[in-house]
Order: sequence, then structure tokens, then C-alpha cells
Amino acid sequence: GAVVSQHPSWVICKSGTSVKIECRSLDFQATTMFWYRQFPKQSLMLMATSNEGSKATYEQGVEKDKFLINHASLTLSTLTVTSAHPEDSSFYICSAPDLGIPRTDTQYFGPGTRLTVL
Amino acid sequence: GDSVTQMEGPVTLSEEAFLTINCTYTATGYPSLFWYVQYPGEGLQLLLKATKADDKGSNKGFEATYRKETTSFHLEKGSVQVSDSAVYFCALSDRVSGGYNKLIFGAGTRLAVHP
Repeated sequence: GAVVSQHPSWVICKSGTSVKIECRSLDFQATTMFWYRQFPKQSLMLMATSNEGSKATYEQGVEKDKFLINHASLTLSTLTVTSAHPEDSSFYICSAPDLGIPRTDTQYFGPGTRLTVL
Repeated sequence: GDSVTQMEGPVTLSEEAFLTINCTYTATGYPSLFWYVQYPGEGLQLLLKATKADDKGSNKGFEATYRKETTSFHLEKGSVQVSDSAVYFCALSDRVSGGYNKLIFGAGTRLAVHP
């Protein structure tokens, strides 16, 4: 099946710094990607929808100036956590939907990136 | 809004035991329902899905039936194996017109199977 990778798999940074997380579709093109956040023992919460060639769509309550999303190509989306603080520590997961015809509801998920802000 | 509730874990079973992980949902429309599985160190993988009432999704010995009357989508397997140890997520697809569907997830249930 389709494979989505994320880099890095984990990162530790100091408070106030910015961190970039990459999401790549390895064997297919993804005009849309989704970014999720998962707190320990909690659900995955959709943060934003990344669209190649246009601005990302953010979910209610997600600060777009805090979480910058750039869909640079048909295989790459990046999430930058700007001026990170300890409360931003979380597990960030991306996914890309199946572009098959007919359209299905299937999404392919990356393995996630664990961010720890000291 | 739409939501998914699934039983808390961890669920600990012996090999060959019967598995049930409960999942109920709240939705205003007619969502598709999914079970995703996350093995250690890997991304979420689609395990099975059902797109309308009374549909049964099945894969790798796992089954779940879309029950509209009870708004449930319980996951079952007759005989679990150690290799089934993972975290299982129930999810529904919240249809958004003109775009790809958003997924709303339950909290996940960790399953540990012992030999």
C-alpha cells in the first residue's frame, strides 16, 4: 500500500525555538495532507488540512501563526511549530488520503513525530 | 459535533482468547466508520471499514458491523494472536462537501496479547 514518512521521528528542543516536521508521500502524489496532534492517552485531533499550491485550512482553535504549514510539492508537506513552548509537546501525525477513483475515505498515516519542548 | 467513544484500555488477553473492543459514535449524518490499528513504532493502518448501516467490515480475522440503531461499531476477533498486540482506533468520517472527509477518532485502546 501507499507509504507516508515523517521526519524526524522525535525531536527535543528548547523553549522559544522553532521546529520543522516533514511529511512525505513516498510512492504516490498527495495534493492534500492532514496534520493531527495526539496527547497521551487521547484521540488524534485534526489540526489542519494542507493543500498543495494553496493555503492550509486550520481547524477551529488552532493558531495558524503558531503552526505554519507549507505544502511545497505533491509529495511534501511541512509543519513548523514556531516559538515552541512546553505545552506544544505532543505527538504530531500526518496523513494523506487515497486519491483512487472512485474516491474512498481511506487515509495513509505517517509514523508520527514526538516533540518535547524543554 | 460528531464524536467517537471507545472502551478504555489496556485490554490484556491470552493467545486464542476472544476479543471485543467497544466503539460507539455520535453523528448528525451517515458517516463511514473505521477501525485503524497502530503497531509499535509504525503509523496508523486501516484495519477495516463500513460505509453504511448493517455493513460488516472484515480483515485479518477482525470484524465489525455498522449498527445504526445502537450507533455502534464494535471490533471483534475470535482468536487473538500475540502479533495482534497494538493500539486500535475507532473513527468516523465526517463528510465535508467539496473536500476530503475528515476523520474523527476515538481515544484508542491498547491490546496486549500474552502467549
